[in-house]
Amino acid sequence: DIQLTQSPSFLSASVGDRVTITCRASQGISSYLAWYQQKPGKAPKLLIYAASTLQSGVPSRFSGSGSGTEFTLTISSLQPEDFATYYCQQLNSYPRFTFGPGTKVDIK
Amino acid sequence: QVQLVQSGAEVKKPGASVKVSCKASGYTFTSYGISWVRQAPGQGLEWMGWISAYNGNTNYAQKLQGRVTMTTDTSTSTAYMELRSLRSDDTAVYYCARSFGAFDIWGQGTMVTVSS
Repeated sequence: DIQLTQSPSFLSASVGDRVTITCRASQGISSYLAWYQQKPGKAPKLLIYAASTLQSGVPSRFSGSGSGTEFTLTISSLQPEDFATYYCQQLNSYPRFTFGPGTKVDIK
Repeated sequence: QVQLVQSGAEVKKPGASVKVSCKASGYTFTSYGISWVRQAPGQGLEWMGWISAYNGNTNYAQKLQGRVTMTTDTSTSTAYMELRSLRSDDTAVYYCARSFGAFDIWGQGTMVTVSS
């Protein structure tokens, strides 16, 4: 099975900061990667799919890039509602899926 | 609107089984797959398996093979996930999610507690 790692596991940032989260796959997955945001007590929310396609309704301050084994999620200017945990997910081995371990974004 | 509504919280004893339902509305049920994902307290997301609502084909995570069964009832647009031989480490919130590739619509989650 394809394994995903995320870095950092935890980051502390301020409102207005530019934030970048990295996701690495154990083997090449082309652009078959999605990003999710999860807030405490809530279901995850799809932010980006196909590595860089913004899901409808998601603010444009979120962006994704990468292909192969290395991917990034960038929040251009962190807003108060963005403090959450972010997960990457590989879709290359459809219909078998894997999530990364998550990155918690906390308030500095 | 497009939504998935799951059944309510469950408390089970070790060794028992649980069956969680996920009712879809607002879209053509058979045009998408349904995945099940669980999240133990304080932990990350774990993909459990996928079922095609079109033809019932399934694909389960290796660690759950033999204990999990996913089914659908197209007459009611409902997906089901049954987990057997429950253990304490099966305590988690269980989510269903519509899968077109990525998981774009999620249910609200069902808490399953396994305790003697």
